[in-house]
Amino acid sequence: QVQLEQSGAEVKKPGSSVKISCKASGGTPNSPTISWVRQAPGQGLEWMGRIIPMFGTTNYAQKFQGRVTITADTSTSTAYMELRSLTSDDTAVFYCARDVHWALDVWGQGTLLIVSS
Amino acid sequence: EIVMTQSPATLSVSPGERATLSCRASQSVRSNVAWYQQKPGQAPRLLIDGASTRATGIPARFSGSGSGTEFTLTISSLQSEDFAVYYCQQYNDWPQLTFGGGTKVEIK
Repeated sequence: QVQLEQSGAEVKKPGSSVKISCKASGGTPNSPTISWVRQAPGQGLEWMGRIIPMFGTTNYAQKFQGRVTITADTSTSTAYMELRSLTSDDTAVFYCARDVHWALDVWGQGTLLIVSS
Repeated sequence: EIVMTQSPATLSVSPGERATLSCRASQSVRSNVAWYQQKPGQAPRLLIDGASTRATGIPARFSGSGSGTEFTLTISSLQSEDFAVYYCQQYNDWPQLTFGGGTKVEIK
């Protein structure tokens, strides 16, 4: 059964960038399609984008286009999400999830990002 | 962008009672809807995809229905572990995904 392990909590200054990782293990393919989802404190879920590592294809939500880059390293089965030009509004928990097209069926544990001066 | 609107925002239900949650799409999404459950401090968990197909390991008290623009998640007899926030999500507009705003099911 596939598991997704995310990197630890981050504290960043406004205007800086953050890069969060998501390592897949225990499933096939070794590098599944991964979506990233943001959840601000007390708020709902917001899809940010995905990567299909087999093809290197990415899709982004229009809201994040130009500010987010999703990459993957198939040799380590790890996906990355980099978010730039951080503001306090980016304070949130970020989740990676296995994207099987019709649903997000396996989720990472979440990574807390705090943006504060 | 397809907007998913969930109602009510909060649903107060007694244990053992039925809960009915609604999700409306701003345009037809056929049957391309999934439902998730999220408990405090936890990641979401997939309950239903294809509007009505339970995911692996999901109890039969959870059922989904609907197509087009109107969808329903029903919990037939609420257990203590079912009090959580529930989200619908469309994937008809793939590669774009959108979530509804969520319905919190709380103990009455």
